[in-house]
Amino acid sequence: EAQVTQNPRYLITVTGKKLTVTCSQNMNHEYMSWYRQDPGLGLRQIYYSMNVEVTDKGDVPEGYKVSRKEKRNFPLILESPSPNQTSLYFCASSPRQDGVNEQFFGPGTRLTVL
Amino acid sequence: EDQVTQSPEALRLQEGESSSLNCSYTVSGLRGLFWYRQDPGKGPEFLFTLYSAGEEKEKERLKATLTKKESFLHITAPKPEDSATYLCAVVPDMNRDDKIIFGKGTRLHILP
Repeated sequence: EAQVTQNPRYLITVTGKKLTVTCSQNMNHEYMSWYRQDPGLGLRQIYYSMNVEVTDKGDVPEGYKVSRKEKRNFPLILESPSPNQTSLYFCASSPRQDGVNEQFFGPGTRLTVL
Repeated sequence: EDQVTQSPEALRLQEGESSSLNCSYTVSGLRGLFWYRQDPGKGPEFLFTLYSAGEEKEKERLKATLTKKESFLHITAPKPEDSATYLCAVVPDMNRDDKIIFGKGTRLHILP
């Protein structure tokens, strides 16, 4: 089944404890992206990647890191999480390298930073 | 600054009562406009892509249209299962940096 998977689905952590949220797609898509969704602010793009070893900042990259060592995986790293990073996170992938195509979204990761 | 604005924020309709959702955008150039549906607690699900003014796409009770400044999602004779948040997103042309900008969405509730 074609899908985007994220792990973990739910995570409660404390300020400053490094964490990684994994994202994997099995559709051989070029473009991958991370978003956060907050009430009243909508979906905001954190980082995106057009290909292996190519990543770019979205609108809200501060406090986040990403890597794209393999085409299928695009992990989101929070080196020192803070409470303002409490949010619902979505990973997405798209077949076109420039992202100007439909995106397939993962199920989401609900992160709480205490 | 590139912006996407959706209206209304929320809409309650009776089953069968047709209406339209609006997505207005101010971007330097449009490479693509997208509509998604999002159910509570789930990831957005793709509905339509529109690339140029005058383009229209249809799927069941939904029809999306595009002008140079805005897009409409028309819902004809909606059913309770159409209740969801509808999101609009654009890929602007400026600098061709491939960012994707989402609006804040319209929460649609269809009453039986």
